[in-house]
Amino acid sequence: RKEVEQDPGPFNVPEGATVAFNCTYSNSASQSFFWYRQDCRKEPKLLMSVYSSGNEDGRFTAQLNRASQYISLLIRDSKLSDSATYLCVVLPTGGGNKLTFGTGTQLKVEL
Amino acid sequence: NAGVTQTPKFRILKIGQSMTLQCAQDMNHNYMYWYRQDPGMGLKLIYYSVGAGITDKGEVPNGYNVSRSTTEDFPLRLELAAPSQTSVYFCASSSTTVAKNIQYFGAGTRLSVL
Repeated sequence: RKEVEQDPGPFNVPEGATVAFNCTYSNSASQSFFWYRQDCRKEPKLLMSVYSSGNEDGRFTAQLNRASQYISLLIRDSKLSDSATYLCVVLPTGGGNKLTFGTGTQLKVEL
Repeated sequence: NAGVTQTPKFRILKIGQSMTLQCAQDMNHNYMYWYRQDPGMGLKLIYYSVGAGITDKGEVPNGYNVSRSTTEDFPLRLELAAPSQTSVYFCASSSTTVAKNIQYFGAGTRLSVL
């Protein structure tokens, strides 16, 4: 089983739609979770951290379910500019600062 | 605000050639990392450093070497380039705040070995 698994997509959605991605992780003792965004042929950039109680940043909502070992990202009112690959990232316990990256979920927002 | 700077942006190597990928950060971060990203794959950690003079292997270190003589610089060396090293290489840095652990990435180096 991969340490971090994501559906590669692509998710093709119309502008204004709500879309959700899930990501599962194998290490139950993982301590920190993040969503990074990567535009085509660009470097990854932090989108948001994921907190145990769930957190929101504008149109983006992240949730963590430790019992089922998954995190989710919900995007409301999708914009064309949201088109990108979303990387699920996990910091395992005892991993120092070594993050484990998922392969990413591709989102395409269309007119 | 330079952040993390990588050079070169693109490079084509012949099999057996060597080269150094440069990485510099101006955020006074202690932690620095080198990743490679192959098409359709997640980022794989090659080497990392927790401070000047300290380096350690990541998940895929074979065929690479690093050094960290200063806090700012973390070059990655390919000694005998092989086609399997064709990839996009990203350098990143982060502060020592483990709880936040935000990694800042350079724009990447696209390397082809032919």
